[in-house]
Amino acid sequence: KNEVEQSPQNLTAQEGEFITINCSYSVGISALHWLQQHPGGGIVSLFMLSSGKKKHGRLIATINIQEKHSSLHITASHPRDSAVYICAVFYGGSQGNLIFGKGTKLSVKP
Amino acid sequence: EAGVAQSPRYKIIEKRQSVAFWCNPISGHATLYWYQQILGQGPKLLIQFQNNGVVDDSQLPKDRFSAERLKGVDSTLKIQPAKLEDSAVYLCASSLGGGLAGGGDTQYFGPGTRLTVL
Repeated sequence: KNEVEQSPQNLTAQEGEFITINCSYSVGISALHWLQQHPGGGIVSLFMLSSGKKKHGRLIATINIQEKHSSLHITASHPRDSAVYICAVFYGGSQGNLIFGKGTKLSVKP
Repeated sequence: EAGVAQSPRYKIIEKRQSVAFWCNPISGHATLYWYQQILGQGPKLLIQFQNNGVVDDSQLPKDRFSAERLKGVDSTLKIQPAKLEDSAVYLCASSLGGGLAGGGDTQYFGPGTRLTVL
């Protein structure tokens, strides 16, 4: 069983739709990252959060530490949001590292 | 601010050949990471450096993979000899420090090197 599970694996939406991507993890963590990876491109860090909620533009990330669950929301989705969204959890002490989910492939149709 | 640089961007080799990848992290970042991302999967940490010392190389296949960060800045990752299953994107990332207590440490990723082994 993977320590970081994302759902759905693939998601197709129409432009303008509200999108939710979920991440569940089984290890104790100190922080969680949401990352975006475009085809052929590198990875961009969207959020790092350890509690509550963060918002940046049309992106909102929430985390519930007790339930070991995080969600990434995209409001008013746009075709340029099409990418793979990866959840990664940071565990361990000062020298810990990340455990990555397999990613959610999002395709937003115009 | 310049981001993490990697080269080459693409490499095609035959099995049993050798290959090397280069990474230049963001200036001032003490920690450097090499990840392997196989198609359809999330990245897997291969090795983590703190300055020029190795912090974690538990998932590095040491019989064929090696990495160094001699002066605590640039790093190279080498595969010798390559196997078909090494085909993947190799990502380099860097972060400021070893991780803030209880808070994690934001990692900045390079564009990756896509390796195809034939």
